[in-house]
Amino acid sequence: AQSVTQLGSHVSVSEGALVLLRCNYSSSVPPYLFWYVQYPNQGLQLLLKYTSAATLVKGINGFEAEFKKSETSFHLTKPSAHMSDAAEYFCAVSEGYGGSQGNLIFGKGTKLSVKP
Amino acid sequence: AAGVIQSPRHLIKEKRETATLKCYPIPRHDTVYWYQQGPGQDPQFLISFYEKMQSDKGSIPDRFSAQQFSDYHSELNMSSLELGDSALYFCASSLRDRTDTQYFGPGTRLTVL
Repeated sequence: AQSVTQLGSHVSVSEGALVLLRCNYSSSVPPYLFWYVQYPNQGLQLLLKYTSAATLVKGINGFEAEFKKSETSFHLTKPSAHMSDAAEYFCAVSEGYGGSQGNLIFGKGTKLSVKP
Repeated sequence: AAGVIQSPRHLIKEKRETATLKCYPIPRHDTVYWYQQGPGQDPQFLISFYEKMQSDKGSIPDRFSAQQFSDYHSELNMSSLELGDSALYFCASSLRDRTDTQYFGPGTRLTVL
């Protein structure tokens, strides 16, 4: 069974500082990995995804993530935080596409705060 | 571009009542997923459908049922509501062969009093 673990339920950074949100996964098959962002009282928006192509994945809003199989990690980074990045971020895994493999399994989420 | 539509956006019910949530996927998307997100929790997969057939089942209570119709919209029916059912219910849609790209609706916030 797959699972994801997000280290740190709350992360606080200063505006302009590096953002690093950690995610480790467990999967018995090559995983598809995702990062979603959720603003208060809104739905989930896909930031980026890894689907077995390039290990360094670039997403929207300047975010990127690197798939490291040896470390079973898929950490999310952004070089310079902006106030508008304050939100909750969810790492998710699925076994691939098609049929029952498309269901997403989410981590517990990391709430990012950005200080002026 | 058209997005996933969910209705209603907010719903307040009493314990033991029933509720029906609706999801209208992005045009041409044939696969629908339902997720439940409790207060301060991560989204949990409930159930999915492809071409009106149940595709997979997650942690959906027996009191809940769902179906997908010929126009691909889906309804989640919830009976004998409990306080613990209060949550944000998301619907997501995708193409069958592109479930790596799911688009989420804004959610329906259900409050059970």
